[in-house]
Amino acid sequence: DQQVKQNSPSLSVQEGRISILNCDYTNSMFDYFLWYKKYPAEGPTFLISISSIKDKNEDGRFTVFLNKSAKHLSLHIVPSQPGDSAVYFCAAKGDTGTASKLTFGTGTRLQVTL
Amino acid sequence: KAGVTQTPRYLIKTRGQQVTLSCSPISGHRSVSWYQQTPGQGLQFLFEYFSETQRNKGNFPGRFSGRQFSNSRSEMNVSTLELGDSALYLCASDPGQGNEQFFGPGTRLTVL
Repeated sequence: DQQVKQNSPSLSVQEGRISILNCDYTNSMFDYFLWYKKYPAEGPTFLISISSIKDKNEDGRFTVFLNKSAKHLSLHIVPSQPGDSAVYFCAAKGDTGTASKLTFGTGTRLQVTL
Repeated sequence: KAGVTQTPRYLIKTRGQQVTLSCSPISGHRSVSWYQQTPGQGLQFLFEYFSETQRNKGNFPGRFSGRQFSNSRSEMNVSTLELGDSALYLCASDPGQGNEQFFGPGTRLTVL
């Protein structure tokens, strides 16, 4: 039972354009959402997060949008740069109190082309 | 501040053997979580330790176990290895409030 879904396994975007990565979840108890970026042979790196009491969080070129009614979140990267090419994982938590369990999606591989 | 470290980085074992992986969290972090990453499955939560106690557990068989020491370092053990246990095993730490987790580079386990 995949509670966090990233339905696009891959995405290709031109340098300078916007990258939009999508994530859907099914568990209404989730109240905190995170995006991680992962390069080959490295562990995931935290990118940005959002609490369920907000609908938008911005950090430089990265913005995360949360639509609670649709159980959908998205990560916008503007402008996209070649160094952004990586696998992006959406993660959620909230149904385990203060415990640190994160539920991850299967990832979207972003390729930013010149 | 040093990041999360994991040893060894690569490991090759045969079916039926057992393996122990080690994780040292960021200094001051009391929570350590373990995840398994396999192709197409994303990261699957194994378990979390906080102050030497298992605080949460994922849906893995009892062959997967762990522990945490008083200095917050953690070990994960897999007994009676199966081919399907081949994966990247990731350790993550956080201060204990459970929001952002910081990951180590992982241990790549290959079971032959």
